[in-house]
Amino acid sequence: GIQVEQSPPDLILQEGANSTLRCNFSDSVNNLQWFHQNPWGQLINLFYIPSGTKQNGRLSATTVATERYSLLYISSSQTTDSGVYFCAGYYKLSFGAGTTVTVRA
Amino acid sequence: DAGITQSPRHKVTETGTPVTLRCHQTENHRYMYWYRQDPGHGLRLIHYSYGVKDTDKGEVSDGYSVSRSKTEDFLLTLESATSSQTSVYFCAISKKAGMNTEAFFGQGTRLTVV
Repeated sequence: GIQVEQSPPDLILQEGANSTLRCNFSDSVNNLQWFHQNPWGQLINLFYIPSGTKQNGRLSATTVATERYSLLYISSSQTTDSGVYFCAGYYKLSFGAGTTVTVRA
Repeated sequence: DAGITQSPRHKVTETGTPVTLRCHQTENHRYMYWYRQDPGHGLRLIHYSYGVKDTDKGEVSDGYSVSRSKTEDFLLTLESATSSQTSVYFCAISKKAGMNTEAFFGQGTRLTVV
């Protein structure tokens, strides 16, 4: 079946730092999304990005479907960025295991 | 919010009892999904529906059944709950499956089987 791998599994940042999260897919990907799960468990849509690059404030994402990966960039991180970041893709939204981000003040 | 309501939000039940979780949407989206979330596994698909009375299994469907008698409601039933089904359950909706569609999630139901 489809495999979705996220790296790193855990990330600790000092407030103000930049970071990159990666998502690798076992096959050419479509229908790709990034989510942020906040400390209250809510899944928040960050990007729907089957290809190309998008930006939303301090966050941006790039997907290269033919090379089977997507990147999420967090710039000038804030404590409110803490939580788990998931990527998901394909027909029935297969999820990676997530990257847990902790931003320290 | 994407107009998705899950109920109940929290439930504690005993092993062997039946449990039904409800997902209600106001978006008139065709596709609905049930996922479970467990530590270290991300979200895993249990069942999904591509229309009224049209459902199919996901990767972790054993022990679960679903029903969709109208567009807005998708029910997940645990016929005889087991401790391994203790989890957080999420419902999702999308306009269509496959290309060019974005999914939105409900707030989750925390189920504890004791």
